[in-house]
Amino acid sequence: TQLLEQSPQFLSIQEGENLTVYCNSSSVFSSLQWYRQEPGEGPVLLVTVVTGGEVKKLKRLTFQFGDARKDSSLHITAAQPGDTGLYLCAGANLQNSNSGYALNFGKGTSLLVTP
Amino acid sequence: NAGVTQTPKFRILKIGQSMTLQCAQDMNHNYMYWYRQDPGMGLKLIYYSVGAGITDKGEVPNGYNVSRSTTEDFPLRLELAAPSQTSVYFCASSYGRGYEQYFGPGTRLTVT
Repeated sequence: TQLLEQSPQFLSIQEGENLTVYCNSSSVFSSLQWYRQEPGEGPVLLVTVVTGGEVKKLKRLTFQFGDARKDSSLHITAAQPGDTGLYLCAGANLQNSNSGYALNFGKGTSLLVTP
Repeated sequence: NAGVTQTPKFRILKIGQSMTLQCAQDMNHNYMYWYRQDPGMGLKLIYYSVGAGITDKGEVPNGYNVSRSTTEDFPLRLELAAPSQTSVYFCASSYGRGYEQYFGPGTRLTVT
């Protein structure tokens, strides 16, 4: 199993603040996905990054894939209460046939944005 | 499209009882997965399937069984339920390996 470490584990901020969460591994991934999970629901995909150094923006969310494709970050600008949720990163290694057919998920960062 | 559906939403089992968690998808995905999610532990893969008639173990398969007789359905069977199986169970499907996974709403299971 290729481990993905997410930090911080918990984050509580005020509306309007900026934040960055991290997803790190010692393994190289073919692609990395970010999901958001709201209480009582399943995770929903936010973005997939594939190329080393790639930056993708989704409104106030900016995702970056590390140059070596071992790590990723999610930056939220001017956080809003609607951003509250569990943010999960998940890596796929399509080069390794022994890695199985599923994604390797990190444990997640639980974000609370208060008004 | 309904996407991925799961039933039941909640269930309480006594130790030693058995049950089947149902999962269905209407996206014609070949790949389907079962995960369990425990607080602070992320998602752990129980079983997966790459097509009808083909299943394989994930990271934590003990105490569970699956079958995949059709593309649409991927039920998860718990035999002799134990307290350690108290968790939230998610079914997911994807177009292929490494593609976006679509998750169901989850089944919250308590074994007492």
